[in-house]
Amino acid sequence: DAKTTQPNSMESNEEEPVHLPCNHSTISGTDYIHWYRQLPSQGPEYVIHGLTSNVNNRMASLAIAEDRKSSTLILHRATLRDAAVYYCILRDSGGGADGLTFGKGTHLIIQP
Amino acid sequence: KAGVTQTPRYLIKTRGQQVTLSCSPISGHRSVSWYQQTPGQGLQFLFEYFSETQRNKGNFPGRFSGRQFSNSRSEMNVSTLELGDSALYLCASSWTNGGNTEAFFGQGTRLTVV
Repeated sequence: DAKTTQPNSMESNEEEPVHLPCNHSTISGTDYIHWYRQLPSQGPEYVIHGLTSNVNNRMASLAIAEDRKSSTLILHRATLRDAAVYYCILRDSGGGADGLTFGKGTHLIIQP
Repeated sequence: KAGVTQTPRYLIKTRGQQVTLSCSPISGHRSVSWYQQTPGQGLQFLFEYFSETQRNKGNFPGRFSGRQFSNSRSEMNVSTLELGDSALYLCASSWTNGGNTEAFFGQGTRLTVV
């Protein structure tokens, strides 16, 4: 699976939108873009995933660049409960050989 | 629908012993993956099972092994425990093992080796 690059940390205010960037310049045409988050003392939690088109669900939106070399996870209205480490992961459509390859992720801090 | 269940939640073992961890996936899910999480190395892939067959294996020594049963429940075993095996072991289940599938993680088993 191709690698991703994320900022180490980001800070935002409660009730404001948050845009978490991810660069994946070596993405292949069959790689899905996945986002997971891990709250303190919990296992990772699935957030959203997509291939080419932007995706929305009850938790977040995923905006994918036209060339697919970058993507942005959008939390529309952050709450204190969104404070977590967010991981951007590429997964080949066939599953790949290495499971989900977690990098260091982005530590999101939410200020009240 | 019940989530992914891992047992036990906490374990303390002595160096040289062996340990078995259990994972019950979400009903209907046939793919189970295992991960090790440590402060130094982060989340690392151990292995993945689908329909009782190991499909992929991470870069871990042979002391780490696993299996999956016909009901999709999975176990992982670590033999001859070392201090460095102290970690949070996470199990994830998914409908299939393809890239267009979300994975659901359990709360993990915290293993401490003394």
